[in-house]
Amino acid sequence: DVKVTQSSRYLVKRTGEKVFLECVQDMDHENMFWYRQDPGLGLRLIYFSYDVKMKEKGDIPEGYSVSREKKERFSLILESASTNQTSMYLCASSRRGLAGVVEQYFGPGTRLTVT
Amino acid sequence: AQTVTQSQPEMSVQEAETVTLSCTYDTSESDYYLFWYKQPPSRQMILVIRQEAYKQQNATENRFSVNFQKAAKSFSLKISDSQLGDAAMYFCAYRSADRGYIPTFGRGTSLIVHP
Repeated sequence: DVKVTQSSRYLVKRTGEKVFLECVQDMDHENMFWYRQDPGLGLRLIYFSYDVKMKEKGDIPEGYSVSREKKERFSLILESASTNQTSMYLCASSRRGLAGVVEQYFGPGTRLTVT
Repeated sequence: AQTVTQSQPEMSVQEAETVTLSCTYDTSESDYYLFWYKQPPSRQMILVIRQEAYKQQNATENRFSVNFQKAAKSFSLKISDSQLGDAAMYFCAYRSADRGYIPTFGRGTSLIVHP
């Protein structure tokens, strides 16, 4: 079975803390994604990586950074957490090919609360 | 840019009955892929069904089927014989066949199933 795992299901951090969210996939996928999910807003893309050390900004990258040192691992970093970053964070992966019906595989999500 | 609209924030259905979730999208492309994802409460998002735009035949997966109307840019999901386990957030997604690996998601429809 394909698997995407995230380091924490629930996380509580204080304002100003540096926060690391980690995602690992075991499918040898080239593409990895970080989304933020808020009620009524759906999934919003924060960052995307299509290869090791490669990254592209998504729709809402402000306040976030990412790291991809190994193919299977994609980390989301909140440099200085703020209360408006309280949200559900979803990681996803997919294989590279443009052709064909390439679906995404999602992790279970991390619910982050910043107090 | 492509947009995906799910006009029903919430839908409800009685167990064993049929429900249809709507999705429309805006694109100038002729070749693309469409997806429905399901996110059960506190569980991982999974793919329910997918459709290639060049295929005229509507995709089906057991009790799940789509009504793909390319000219109308509509991609609705029909769930037959609804079960309690179908209760979830459902997201419609669009991905270009030619450009980019990043899908565009709708804002989701919350499906409630009444026993």
